[in-house]
Amino acid sequence: AQSVTQPDIHITVSEGASLELRCNYSYGATPYLFWYVQSPGQGLQLLLKYFSGDTLVQGIKGFEAEFKRSQSSFNLRKPSVHWSDAAEYFCAVGAVNYGGSQGNLIFGKGTKLSVKP
Amino acid sequence: DTGVSQDPRHKITKRGQNVTFRCDPISEHNRLYWYRQTLGQGPEFLTYFQNEAQLEKSRLLSDRFSAERPKGSFSTLEIQRTEQGDSAMYLCASSPGTLVLGNTIYFGEGSWLTVV
Repeated sequence: AQSVTQPDIHITVSEGASLELRCNYSYGATPYLFWYVQSPGQGLQLLLKYFSGDTLVQGIKGFEAEFKRSQSSFNLRKPSVHWSDAAEYFCAVGAVNYGGSQGNLIFGKGTKLSVKP
Repeated sequence: DTGVSQDPRHKITKRGQNVTFRCDPISEHNRLYWYRQTLGQGPEFLTYFQNEAQLEKSRLLSDRFSAERPKGSFSTLEIQRTEQGDSAMYLCASSPGTLVLGNTIYFGEGSWLTVV
């Protein structure tokens, strides 16, 4: 069964420091991978997605993610964090199977990011 | 593009009452999804529609839950005989097509349900 693991529940970084949020997935075929961000009490905003091609994906707000098939990982990075980046971040895999789901997303439990001034 | 719209944003109801949430997807998006998110968890898939057809339902969607998309535009999610365990945020999302073709799923702001 498909699954997504985000090992870090809560991360605190200083403003201006670099950031890496970890995501590991379990999926039999080539995955469709996503990172979403959620501010408190709000819906989810797409940061970036990977479908195929270049394994380094650029997203909005200066975020990037790298797909590593050998490690079943899709970690999110940002070189310099801003206070406005404080939010919860969700990694998701698109479940697309023969005879099975044709389009729902399976989410990890999220990583809450706090930013110190 | 006005985004995915959900109504109401917050609902407090007594246990045993019925509640209904409405979702208006992005115009011309033929796929519409419902997810549920509880505190400290990621969103969990409930069901999705392709136009007016409900193509998939999660095991989370008990008999007390029903979703409709009668004209292939807006959708409603009704919960009958609410239980305290139904307290969650219900997220609606839409996309212009299937993930297989590289489409993105766009989420609304969510509808918070508190069952007391």
